[in-house]
Amino acid sequence: EDQVTQSPEALRLQEGESSSLNCSYTVSGLRGLFWYRQDPGKGPEFLFTLYSAGEEKEKERLKATLTKKESFLHITAPKPEDSATYLCAASSGQNFVFGPGTRLSVLP
Amino acid sequence: DAGVIQSPRHEVTEMGQEVTLRCKPISGHDYLFWYRQTMMRGLELLIYFNNNVPIDDSGMPEDRFSAKMPNASFSTLKIQPSEPRDSAVYFCASGHILQEPNYGYTFGSGTRLTVV
Repeated sequence: EDQVTQSPEALRLQEGESSSLNCSYTVSGLRGLFWYRQDPGKGPEFLFTLYSAGEEKEKERLKATLTKKESFLHITAPKPEDSATYLCAASSGQNFVFGPGTRLSVLP
Repeated sequence: DAGVIQSPRHEVTEMGQEVTLRCKPISGHDYLFWYRQTMMRGLELLIYFNNNVPIDDSGMPEDRFSAKMPNASFSTLKIQPSEPRDSAVYFCASGHILQEPNYGYTFGSGTRLTVV
């Protein structure tokens, strides 16, 4: 059975304090690893897709990396507006299996 | 494009009543997904359609849940009869796949359902 776990469950950072979020997956025949951001009261917003181990993608202060068993979302010098829940999802086909998310709070 | 449009945004209903949630996907997208999100279970796939045809409904919890997609621009998720444990946020998402899942799907803003 495909599974996705994320850690930590919650993370509090001071503005400018860099850190990483972890996503571990067990998917037979991974076709894509996705990162989403979700703000309270809104639907998940797409950030990145990663397809193969060693791949990296960047967007502003965020960088996503992928290994054969994990993905990391690195946040460099975060700002309060980066506060949100970050979800990862793994796909072996057209369906996505979502992790439980990491709730990130960035304090000014 | 207005994105994926869901209605209503909030729904409060009494146990036993029928509830219908609606979704208008992004024009041109050929995949449509219904998800349910709760604090306990996170985001769970209920059902998805390809070209208006249901492909996988294994996530639909019970026979009380049904979904339809009569055309490419409209889908409904119906719960009859509703129960308090159905309280959750229901999301619709759509996407267009060529040969690979080459980008993430677009989610709507969700319908927050409360069954009392």
